[in-house]
Amino acid sequence: KQEVTQIPAALSVPEGENLVLNCSFTDSAIYNLQWFRQDPGKGLTSLLLIQSSQREQTSGRLNASLDKSSGRSTLYIAASQPGDSATYLCAVSDLIFGKGTKLSVKP
Amino acid sequence: EAGVAQSPRYKIIEKRQSVAFWCNPISGHATLYWYQQILGQGPKLLIQFQNNGVVDDSQLPKDRFSAERLKGVDSTLKIQPAKLEDSAVYLCASSSSGPTDTQYFGPGTRLTVL
Repeated sequence: KQEVTQIPAALSVPEGENLVLNCSFTDSAIYNLQWFRQDPGKGLTSLLLIQSSQREQTSGRLNASLDKSSGRSTLYIAASQPGDSATYLCAVSDLIFGKGTKLSVKP
Repeated sequence: EAGVAQSPRYKIIEKRQSVAFWCNPISGHATLYWYQQILGQGPKLLIQFQNNGVVDDSQLPKDRFSAERLKGVDSTLKIQPAKLEDSAVYLCASSSSGPTDTQYFGPGTRLTVL
């Protein structure tokens, strides 16, 4: 049974810092992995979708990598801003989500 | 392009009552998903439709939950009767052809069962 784990559960950083969020999964037989952002009281917004044939995807200050063999993905956020404060969730292609990492960026 | 629409946004009911949620996906999207998100948890898939057929409902508590997608467009999720543990946010999402594509989520319906 697929399990998705996100560490840490919460993270607080000062503005301008670069940071990495982690996502691990137990079954490497996935065909993609997606990173989402969720603001309080809102739905999820897709940030990046990485297909199993890809190793990374980039969008602006965000870079996501995927290592299927080790069952890991990372989301790198460069030069963090207070507006990046939200919960970040990863989901594998069999529609299993992690519990998320709550990010707080302090001005 | 209009996003995924859901209504109502909030609902408060007493246990043993029934409730229904509505979802209108992005136009042209063949796949529709309903998720349950309990506070502090990630979303849990309840049911996935491809057009108007069910692809996966393995985690749907079928003794009390039901869902339909008539004509392959709008969808309704119903709970009857509700239990206290059903208090959660119910999220609807759609994608153009399946889980290999980006999922787009609606704002969700927050259900409180008293």
